[in-house]
Amino acid sequence: EPEVTQTPSHQVTQMGQEVILRCVPISNHLYFYWYRQILGQKVEFLVSFYNNEISEKSEIFDDQFSVERPDGSNFTLKIRSTKLEDSAMYFCASRDSSNSPLHFGNGTRLTVT
Amino acid sequence: AQKVTQAQTEISVVEKEDVTLDCVYETRDTTYYLFWYKQPPSGELVFLIRRNSFDEQNEISGRYSWNFQKSTSSFNFTITASQVVDSAVYFCALSESGGYNKLIFGAGTRLAVHP
Repeated sequence: EPEVTQTPSHQVTQMGQEVILRCVPISNHLYFYWYRQILGQKVEFLVSFYNNEISEKSEIFDDQFSVERPDGSNFTLKIRSTKLEDSAMYFCASRDSSNSPLHFGNGTRLTVT
Repeated sequence: AQKVTQAQTEISVVEKEDVTLDCVYETRDTTYYLFWYKQPPSGELVFLIRRNSFDEQNEISGRYSWNFQKSTSSFNFTITASQVVDSAVYFCALSESGGYNKLIFGAGTRLAVHP
């Protein structure tokens, strides 16, 4: 069964550094999302992406965040200057139509020191 | 605004007990979708079920069953004869129709099943 893949599984970075989290959504999917989960807390929506542009973003998704689909397969989340509070599990998700279930990747655990 | 409430933060049961996880939602839309996801200790999010607001029929899948009641805005999840492998955090989520349909998650219920 096709799946969403995320790399790396764990990223450690120093405060102020830029990080890029990578995702390969399921190939025929059209809607892409990033969510984050601070340890032990709820899964929070960050951004949705459709037709090569951001369709919706949350308050969390400020100017430090950006997303890109640089080619036909990858979907990336960039954090320009990481803060300690950015430490979390970041999940990429995709779906083939607007109300089908979201398929999540296994997540990237980001640790900012 | 949409909101999902899972009032039970943690539930602990002994194997073979039945357990029900509660989910209450708020939405102004008449068309919406409800989901349950499982997050085992390994951390991934596993899709369990999707329900649309026009389908109030309860669903059973093996030991899992779901009770959707629009009158009380609830979408509860029951595990019959629980097993240790059911130990996980379970999230209920809501998606409104139209737009790009982000999922809004509840806070999750941590289920511990003891042998």
